[in-house]
Amino acid sequence: GQNIDQPTEMTATEGAIVQINCTYQTSGFNGLFWYQQHAGEAPTFLSYNVLDGLEEKGRFSSFLSRSKGYSYLLLKELQMKDSASYLCAVDNYGQNFVFGPGTRLSVLP
Amino acid sequence: NAGVTQTPKFQVLKTGQSMTLQCAQDMNHEYMSWYRQDPGMGLRLIHYSVGAGITDQGEVPNGYNVSRSTTEDFPLRLLSAAPSQTSVYFCASSYSATGAISSYEQYFGPGTRLTVT
Repeated sequence: GQNIDQPTEMTATEGAIVQINCTYQTSGFNGLFWYQQHAGEAPTFLSYNVLDGLEEKGRFSSFLSRSKGYSYLLLKELQMKDSASYLCAVDNYGQNFVFGPGTRLSVLP
Repeated sequence: NAGVTQTPKFQVLKTGQSMTLQCAQDMNHEYMSWYRQDPGMGLRLIHYSVGAGITDQGEVPNGYNVSRSTTEDFPLRLLSAAPSQTSVYFCASSYSATGAISSYEQYFGPGTRLTVT
């Protein structure tokens, strides 16, 4: 079966660092994606991990451990515009993608 | 380059009506897919296509049909609308979903908000 878990909601303060976790169990694995989705808008691509380790892209970093079925998205120097939902998705190597339920992040001043 | 376009943006149907949600992409992507997004449930895959003439079912295909006669277009048909199909529908495309070496991010359309009464 396919199962992806993320915390439902998180709150953080402007300027802080927040880590959003994602655990997965899928029938296949060809990479893990993170997307950002602002309310009422479409998801947009943030990062992609296929090998273990940390990928850094500006204020955002993403980490993957394939042996543990675990990933996290790290957001540094939080800004108000980072208030959004963050979706974890696995390419299960079966020609489709499986999405987690998403984590709604609220950034407070 | 318009990316992924969807029409209509909003639609209200009565139970039992049928309609087609349109999706088109101009990036020459092989892979296209339809998702529905409901509160607390994330994106769930309805149908997908890995190329023209090839379609397959996703997690929640019942009540929906698709076809892929061209690379650019991937319409989603609701056969007989039900209130349970009230949702936001997203179409997405990707260069490929079957690469053995690498996977590719999906590009999403703006979505269609469908209400079935």
